[in-house]
Order: sequence, then structure tokens, then C-alpha cells
Amino acid sequence: AQKVTQAQTEISVVEKEDVTLDCVYETRDTTYYLFWYKQPPSGELVFLIRRNSFDEQNEISGRYSWNFQKSTSSFNFTITASQVVDSAVYFCALSGNTGNQFYFGTGTSLTVIP
Amino acid sequence: DAGVIQSPRHEVTEMGQEVTLRCKPISGHNSLFWYRQTMMRGLELLIYFNNNVPIDDSGMPEDRFSAKMPNASFSTLKIQPSEPRDSAVYFCASSLGQRSSGANVLTFGAGSRLTVL
Repeated sequence: AQKVTQAQTEISVVEKEDVTLDCVYETRDTTYYLFWYKQPPSGELVFLIRRNSFDEQNEISGRYSWNFQKSTSSFNFTITASQVVDSAVYFCALSGNTGNQFYFGTGTSLTVIP
Repeated sequence: DAGVIQSPRHEVTEMGQEVTLRCKPISGHNSLFWYRQTMMRGLELLIYFNNNVPIDDSGMPEDRFSAKMPNASFSTLKIQPSEPRDSAVYFCASSLGQRSSGANVLTFGAGSRLTVL
């Protein structure tokens, strides 16, 4: 079975705090892809990152960083020094071996308070 | 590239009316997906096409929903007759359905917000 769990439904932080969004996945595929998408209040879904199952290196992009750990089936997302513009719903997703089916988590709503 | 284009952005209709949502995928993408988003159920995959052929329509709620992709640059999602419980945001997304570098990223349209009264 393919499944993505985002246990945190809502998170609120004060501006400039760091925040980590958790993502745990289940898959039987040996090759798979993990994604994060951002959905700001305007409603569109914006791609943030893709990671394949063979690359466990952590990635940093500006204030964003991702920690991929196969041992715990997790792909967590950290925002450093959060800003109000980071307020959005963040979705973690899994694409399996076929590469054409995507499984989304239920999303984590992040509110950054000024 | 203009991205994935959806129309209409907003639709308000009365129960029983036919609704047609339209999508133009990114040129060159060979996979197209229709998703529905509601507060209660989150993001649900309704159907996806590969090379214009429906591959998995198991997420289509019932016979009132139908989707077509007559060519590589156009798809429609039709609801007939519409019901209030169909109120949601419907997203179209496209991707390169290949396992090469840069492939498999879903690019979403801006969504069509449907309200059925």
C-alpha cells in the first residue's frame, strides 16, 4: 500500500522561529519519489522539491531544508527563520514505481504570526 | 510556458445543472490528472490520463462524473447532473510521465472553484 501521513494538522509559530513539518510514508516500491508542495492562501499548488529514493542527501534551499531518512520512512521539511509569507498549507506526496500515481498527505496548515 | 490553464476559475450553478471544467496541460507533458480538493477529504485523485488514454478512473465518484482527453492539449471534466456535495476546488495537473531527470513533477493549474447551490 502507498500512503503518506502528515500527523500535524495545524502549526502556529511566531515569525523568525524555525519550524519542522513531518511527513511519514509507506511504500513497497524500491524506487519512488517524494515531493513537497505549498498551497498559499491564493489556492494554487506550488512544487517545492522532489527527491528520489536513492538519494538520501539532505537538501537546503535558502531557508528551506529537507531531511530524508529511509530508515524511518520520513521526509521532513524545515523552515528556518519563518516569515509571514510562509503561511500556507504544505503537502507531502509520494509517487511510486510507475511514476504516474501520486499519493498526497492531508496537509499541514502553517501559520506564521508576525 | 503559460503553465497548466484551467477554466473557469469560478463556477456557481444550481443543483441539477451540467458543469464542464476545462484544462490545457503544459505542452509536451503526456500525463494529465484531475484532482478534487475539499476540507473534509483533502486532495483526491479523480482520474489520470497517459498519452490521452484514461489509465485510472477509480477515483471518479460516480456515473455523474466523466472526463475526456480528445487530444494532448485539452481535457474536460463533466458533472451531470451536479449536486451540492460536488462543491469543491477541482485541480488539473500535468507531468512528463517518464522516469528521467526532471520528470514526474506534477504542475498544477490554478484550480476551478465549483459551488453547487
